[in-house]
Amino acid sequence: GENVEQHPSTLSVQEGDSAVIKCTYSDSASNYFPWYKQELGKGSQLIIDIRSNVGEKKDQRIAVTLNKTAKHFSLHITETQPEDSAVYFCAAEKDTPLVFGKGTRLSVIA
Amino acid sequence: GAGVSQSPSNKVTEKGKDVELRCDPISGHTALYWYRQRLGQGLEFLIYFQGNSAPDKSGLPSDRFSAERTGESVSTLTIQRTQQEDSAVYLCASSLEGVGGYTFGSGTRLTVV
Repeated sequence: GENVEQHPSTLSVQEGDSAVIKCTYSDSASNYFPWYKQELGKGSQLIIDIRSNVGEKKDQRIAVTLNKTAKHFSLHITETQPEDSAVYFCAAEKDTPLVFGKGTRLSVIA
Repeated sequence: GAGVSQSPSNKVTEKGKDVELRCDPISGHTALYWYRQRLGQGLEFLIYFQGNSAPDKSGLPSDRFSAERTGESVSTLTIQRTQQEDSAVYLCASSLEGVGGYTFGSGTRLTVV
């Protein structure tokens, strides 16, 4: 079955700097790659996703890139703000259900 | 409803007792998923429903765990004879089948003492 690896497990950045979180997946047939932000008391929210027919997708300060050949995808957050501090999870899906990475705890230091 | 609702939000139970966790998905979402998240860990898949059927039960950790869904709506996850290793946050999500993009509830934090 699908296996998703996520790095780093923790990441600290200064406010205003960029943050990058990377994930690799094992099943080349996976075709959907979402990213979730998990905050205490707010559950896990979908922040951006990408399908395998696209190489990059942007939404304001957030972008995701996908390299199908290397089977990895990355989350990029630019101009980080304290409210970006949270745990971020990547996931991959070929057939239901989503398989998640173990998460990255991002801390943005003001 | 506007989002996925889970109840209770917190549950403390004694070892050996049975517990029932409830999930109300977004109205019209045909697919419903249960995941478990232990402290500091990722999301571990338990079971999913397509309509009222569960095509994949492979993630259930033991026969103490069961789940059902009725009316293509509410789902309950039941854990019998709870053990301390069952302590975790149990997350429910729903989606339109085949569209992707799960919407998660806030979870039920289960503590077995």
